[in-house]
Amino acid sequence: GEKVEQHESTLSVREGDSAVINCTYTDTASSYFPWYKQEAGKSLHFVIDIRSNVDRKQSQRLIVLLDKKAKRFSLHITATQPEDSAIYFCAASPASNTNKVVFGTGTRLQVLP
Amino acid sequence: DAGVTQTPRHEVAEKGQTIILKCEPVSGHNDLFWYRQTKIQGLELLSYFRSKSLMEDGGAFKDRFKAEMLNSSFSTLKIQPTEPKDSAVYLCASRGTGVQDTQYFGPGTRLLVL
Repeated sequence: GEKVEQHESTLSVREGDSAVINCTYTDTASSYFPWYKQEAGKSLHFVIDIRSNVDRKQSQRLIVLLDKKAKRFSLHITATQPEDSAIYFCAASPASNTNKVVFGTGTRLQVLP
Repeated sequence: DAGVTQTPRHEVAEKGQTIILKCEPVSGHNDLFWYRQTKIQGLELLSYFRSKSLMEDGGAFKDRFKAEMLNSSFSTLKIQPTEPKDSAVYLCASRGTGVQDTQYFGPGTRLLVL
């Protein structure tokens, strides 16, 4: 089955710098890649996603890149702010079976003043 | 619109007890998921319902974990009997009718088994 690896378990950046969180997946059938954010003491909420028909998507300060050949996708947070501090989860699912959303183990991002 | 609600928010159980966790999905959502979240394993899928039908019953969790969805607005997760290794946060999520709709997560139930 699909395995999603999130390479950085923790990441610290200075406020205003960019943060990059990298994930890889194993199933070539995966075509939908959402990202979720979990703030301290709270549950997960959706932040951005990308589908396999594009290789880049941007929503304000968030950019997702997808490299299907390398089976790699990444979340870029530009001009980081303290409120970006949270755990970020990547996930992957095949279009034919989207109940099989497989999550990475999470990256704890700390934005330092 | 109310989001996903879960009760209780915290639960402490003795080893061997039966506990029942509850979830109310977003109104009108078709899909409901139960996950277990731990620092080591991350998010693990326990169960998945579509239109109240059980579609996925996470293999490793079948023995002592039983999720039910008696109606479209309420689901329960029963753990029987509990073991200390079940200590974790249990998350419920629901999703709309689109195959790639976003999952909306509840606040979770933090379970501690002594």
